[in-house]
Order: sequence, then C-alpha cells, then structure tokens
Amino acid sequence: EAGVVQSPRYKIIEKKQPVAFWCNPISGHNTLYWYLQNLGQGPELLIRYENEEAVDDSQLPKDRFSAERLKGVDSTLKIQPAELGDSAVYLCASSLVSYNEQFFGPGTRLTVL
Amino acid sequence: SQQGEEDPQALSIQEGENATMNCSYKTSINNLQWYRQNSGRGLVHLILIRSNEREKHSGRLRVTLDTSKKSSSLLITASRAADTASYFCATDGLYGNKLVFGAGTILRVKS
Repeated sequence: EAGVVQSPRYKIIEKKQPVAFWCNPISGHNTLYWYLQNLGQGPELLIRYENEEAVDDSQLPKDRFSAERLKGVDSTLKIQPAELGDSAVYLCASSLVSYNEQFFGPGTRLTVL
Repeated sequence: SQQGEEDPQALSIQEGENATMNCSYKTSINNLQWYRQNSGRGLVHLILIRSNEREKHSGRLRVTLDTSKKSSSLLITASRAADTASYFCATDGLYGNKLVFGAGTILRVKS
C-alpha cells in the first residue's frame, strides 16, 4: 500500500514569492491534515479536511495561506506571499477516522530567503 | 500553543537499556498517542491509548496513562540503535479539538 505522497520534498524561494505544496493521501482515507513543523518542535495543525470540507482551519493564517481539497482526494496548500518566518517543514497526514492513527508523508522543507 | 510536554527533552542510553519518556498535558482528553520521528522515515504512529485505558503494550513498547495526573509514559525496553529518534506525544481534547503535539523527547541509543 502506498503511503502519503508529498511534493516537492524541498523548496527554496525568495520572500514575497508564492509557493504551493501537494499531497496525495492514502487511498480511502477521508480525513486529511496539513501540519507545520518548526525545528525542535512538534507538528502544529494548520487545517483538517473531512472529504472536501475544511472542518478545522482555525490555525491557518488566512491572509496568506490557502488550501483546497477538490474531489476529496489530493490537496494543495499555498502560501502567497511567503515570508521569512514561513521557513519550516510542511507535513501532510491522513487517517481513516479523525484523530485516530495518522499516517504522515515525508514533508516539504521550505526555505524562504 | 502545544498542550503536551515531554520530559526529558533529551535522553542518551546504551543499547539494551530501557528508555522512559514522560508526557504531561493540561486539559481532559479523549485519546493520547505516541509518534516517532527520524530522518529516514518521517513521523510514524506508535500507539494510541484511550482515556479509559491505563496501560497498553505493543512489542517492546509499554504506554501508561494516568488521567488524574494528566500524564503518560512511554517505555521502550531493550533499546536498539534503530530506536534513535524523536518521540512525540499527541492528545485530542474532549470536545473534538485538534490533535496537539508536544515538543518531543530526543532519544539517542548508543551501540
């Protein structure tokens, strides 16, 4: 069984540029999560989807971050414009049932210069 | 802000020894989970313990939960070099709130 797929694995951009991350969850997993992880910290939830509906986006900085999950399968997280403080690892995860065992992708390491 | 706090922040032991990590949290929970993260495999789920459970085992892992003290411990027995990783506890609250991770314990197992 394929795991959670994320791309790209690494991204380096200049500040004020846009960037997008893509995630394909495990087949059959209706719940999809995007997390942000800073160095030396645990992941922090940005947004949770149940199928195509965003059910928890309270931690998503909506002035510059947006996400979508069309057709309830893969998802895209976008930052526009990126700031220096956005440098972090962005993790995607999926689960069969909300907040039970979550399966994480390898993450995208973003560096904003 | 993160609810779970792991203790110690870092732990270094010899192969074959046992490793114990602790997690404390602030509010009532539904479940508590432990995850492992290393550079090779990313974040991997280890074990989930429900608020009405007190102890759970999985292979060399033993997790305890004390809801009266709002704390949990993860014991890894007979540690191996491959256990070297960061270990995170994560809790989800009673009211269906998000899963909140602690800052993690860095475990180093020396061979």
